[in-house]
Amino acid sequence: NAGVMQNPRHLVRRRGQEARLRCSPMKGHSHVYWYRQLPEEGLKFMVYLQKENIIDESGMPKERFSAEFPKEGPSILRIQQVVRGDSAAYFCASSPQDSGANVLTFGAGSRLTVL
Amino acid sequence: KQEVTQIPAALSVPEGENLVLNCSFTDSAIYNLQWFRQDPGKGLTSLLLIQSSQREQTSGRLNASLDKSSGRSTLYIAASQPGDSATYLCAVYGGATNKLIFGTGTLLAVQP
Repeated sequence: NAGVMQNPRHLVRRRGQEARLRCSPMKGHSHVYWYRQLPEEGLKFMVYLQKENIIDESGMPKERFSAEFPKEGPSILRIQQVVRGDSAAYFCASSPQDSGANVLTFGAGSRLTVL
Repeated sequence: KQEVTQIPAALSVPEGENLVLNCSFTDSAIYNLQWFRQDPGKGLTSLLLIQSSQREQTSGRLNASLDKSSGRSTLYIAASQPGDSATYLCAVYGGATNKLIFGTGTLLAVQP
């Protein structure tokens, strides 16, 4: 069981470029959560998805950020036209169906640096 | 809106000391509370999960307590070791939102 796999682990982008972060949940998990950790801060909830469905995106910035979890393949967090303030660690977590967020398994994170 | 606060923000102790990390939350309507460990540049490792009906959980040298009515939890680490050095995060789950709400963490350094 490979756990929650995130890639890339480290990503460097210049201002204005796009960043795509991928998350493959644990085998058998159908729910995915994305969290962002800014330097010197705690983890902030961004979005909660099931396959082909966004359940809660209350933590997503209104512009430039989007997330999807297609029927096949990993969940993708997409950041368009990145700015320096987007530099952070982005963590993905997954849970089994109907278990809720209290049994999340976290990935190792993707660290985005915007130059 | 649920807010989770952790005190202290940073702590440095000599090896062998017992220590307590504190977590407080504003909305007592939680289902459970978890303590996580985060090593630099790494992901999160779940240490202890306390259900709302429980008062404490123990795992090895770790003991976590929960006082739901007062909105407080503590993580007690006995006989600390340099390998315990990490950031410790508490997170609550429950209420109207199906997501974990995290505190800002306590950075622990155990000096050999």
